[in-house]
Amino acid sequence: EADIYQTPRYLVIGTGKKITLECSQTMGHDKMYWYQQDPGMELHLIHYSYGVNSTEKGDLSSESTVSRIRTEHFPLTLESARPSHTSQYLCASRKGSGNTIYFGEGSWLTVV
Amino acid sequence: AQRVTQPEKLLSVFKGAPVELKCNYSYSGSPELFWYVQYSRQRLQLLLRHISRESIKGFTADLNKGETSFHLKKPFAQEEDSAMYYCALSGHNFGNEKLTFGTGTRLTIIP
Repeated sequence: EADIYQTPRYLVIGTGKKITLECSQTMGHDKMYWYQQDPGMELHLIHYSYGVNSTEKGDLSSESTVSRIRTEHFPLTLESARPSHTSQYLCASRKGSGNTIYFGEGSWLTVV
Repeated sequence: AQRVTQPEKLLSVFKGAPVELKCNYSYSGSPELFWYVQYSRQRLQLLLRHISRESIKGFTADLNKGETSFHLKKPFAQEEDSAMYYCALSGHNFGNEKLTFGTGTRLTIIP
């Protein structure tokens, strides 16, 4: 079924650990996005990609990095997690411009 | 820079009463505006977009370029409308197609 998938959904890790949040979409979308959202707060764009080998920083500065080696895959990596990285991370994608953006279910990250 | 402002963080309305969720934007070019909704325990999903000019679940929104607004309206609120609503803006030009969200309004419908 065409969708956008995020794993893990929930993760608790210790400070200093490296973590990769996975995002895959099976809709053939060229554009993909990562948003960060604290509970009850606004969504902040932290990374986006227009296609393979294209990545850009978003509006909110983030210590995370992303890669886009394949069209369907847009993983986000934190090399050394800190408690300040505790948040929900939402992946999204869309085809072309002006079309609907589809969101994944989100990954809840807690760093202790 | 593109910016979306939703002045109300919380809004409570009685069932059957009209609803209006405010959204103002700033953008130098010709924007595309959206309303997204997040129901409890569900993912964020598109409610409507201004270029479609359609009504979804009884909601409508008109783009007012003079007032740079895109308010969401429904004449008669229903309990299932309780959710978090986000206004969002996207540019058209290549290189400026990122989607910027407002801070969101939590709508509660009082039975």
